[in-house]
Amino acid sequence: QKEVEQNSGPLSVPEGAIASLNCTYSDRVSQSFFWYRQYSGKSPELIMSIYSNGDKEDGRFTAQLNKASQYVSLLIRDSQPSDSATYLCASSPPRGGKLIFGQGTELSVKP
Amino acid sequence: EAGVVQSPRYKIIEKKQPVAFWCNPISGHNTLYWYLQNLGQGPELLIRYENEEAVDDSQLPKDRFSAERLKGVDSTLKIQPAELGDSAVYLCASSQGAGNEQFFGPGTRLTVL
Repeated sequence: QKEVEQNSGPLSVPEGAIASLNCTYSDRVSQSFFWYRQYSGKSPELIMSIYSNGDKEDGRFTAQLNKASQYVSLLIRDSQPSDSATYLCASSPPRGGKLIFGQGTELSVKP
Repeated sequence: EAGVVQSPRYKIIEKKQPVAFWCNPISGHNTLYWYLQNLGQGPELLIRYENEEAVDDSQLPKDRFSAERLKGVDSTLKIQPAELGDSAVYLCASSQGAGNEQFFGPGTRLTVL
């Protein structure tokens, strides 16, 4: 079992819809969680971080964390074609250090 | 504020040749990371520095890979000799202390022929 798992997709949504990206993790002691967006041929770009249970909103993005279920999600409201990218979920252990990434979910937003 | 700088952006070499990558982190970031990303996969940590000290190099293939971070700022990652399987993107990231948000540079795409 991988430490961080994501559905590789592709996930296809129409423009204006809500895109829902999911991630599960196996290490219960993981404390911090991050969502990165990676366009083809580019490096990962941090879009959200979440450290405690519940929701965290930033513009069109909402990250959700449920430590009991070991589940992290990212919602993108009013999806735009420019949101088409691979979204990487990452966890970090309690004292920080390396990020453990999932393999990423490819999102395609169709006009 | 300038982001993480890496060079070169692309490198093509023959197998068994040496190669080196350079990284300059965000100003004030004392923690520096080197990750490797294969196609279709998430990045995987190679080595983490806190200032000048390598605090996690457990995933670094030490028979051929080496890294240094002199003066606790810039860092260099070296491969000698390179193998075909080393073809990947090498990413440098930095953060203001371990556990904080990490920001990635543009990466170096290595092709070993």
